[in-house]
Amino acid sequence: QVHLVQSGAEVKKPGASVKVSCKASGYTFTRFYLHWVRQAPGQGLEWLGMINPSDGSTNYAQNFQGRVTMTRDTSTSTVYMELSSLRSEDTAVYYCARKTSNAFDIWGQGTLVTVSS
Amino acid sequence: DIQMTQSPSSLSSSVGDRVTITCRASRSIGTYLTWYQQKPGKAPNLLIYTASSLQSGVPSRFSGRGSGTEFTLTISSLQPEDFATYYCQQTYSVPLTFGGGTKVEIK
Repeated sequence: QVHLVQSGAEVKKPGASVKVSCKASGYTFTRFYLHWVRQAPGQGLEWLGMINPSDGSTNYAQNFQGRVTMTRDTSTSTVYMELSSLRSEDTAVYYCARKTSNAFDIWGQGTLVTVSS
Repeated sequence: DIQMTQSPSSLSSSVGDRVTITCRASRSIGTYLTWYQQKPGKAPNLLIYTASSLQSGVPSRFSGRGSGTEFTLTISSLQPEDFATYYCQQTYSVPLTFGGGTKVEIK
């Protein structure tokens, strides 16, 4: 069965960085792009960017350019999303999601990142 | 960036009602339109892809239509488990953008 399992909740101070992991299982890791989406409390969905697990190439949303870094480890079928210079507005649930041809068909369970002094 | 606008932002309906949600793109996206359902505290769940294709395991009361800039999601007979928030998303070009969501509540 296909799963994406994310790391646990984080509490960070403003200005710090956070690194969230997303471990894939049940399929060939390098076959599908993995994307990151976040959702602030009570708000909608916002796309952060994507990574090609096959070669590690990335494409980030302009809003996060310079602050977000996505990487992957093919030996453990895990992708990582690191967000730096955190501010209170970055408090959100962060999701990883697998993209097939046209849609995000499998999602991680979400990781709550709280930014608070 | 392609802007996605959903309407209404919320609606109240009864079990058995027919419900339609609209999603408009700021420019043509062909049929690169996806619908998700999200329940509180859970990740979104894929319902419809390429505007009208039903994801495996999704009940047939859900249907999608449209192309270009205007799309609809219809629930033919609302069931208790359908009360949730629904989002559209364009996968035509990056950044992949979502609509603001439509919350379907019990009347």
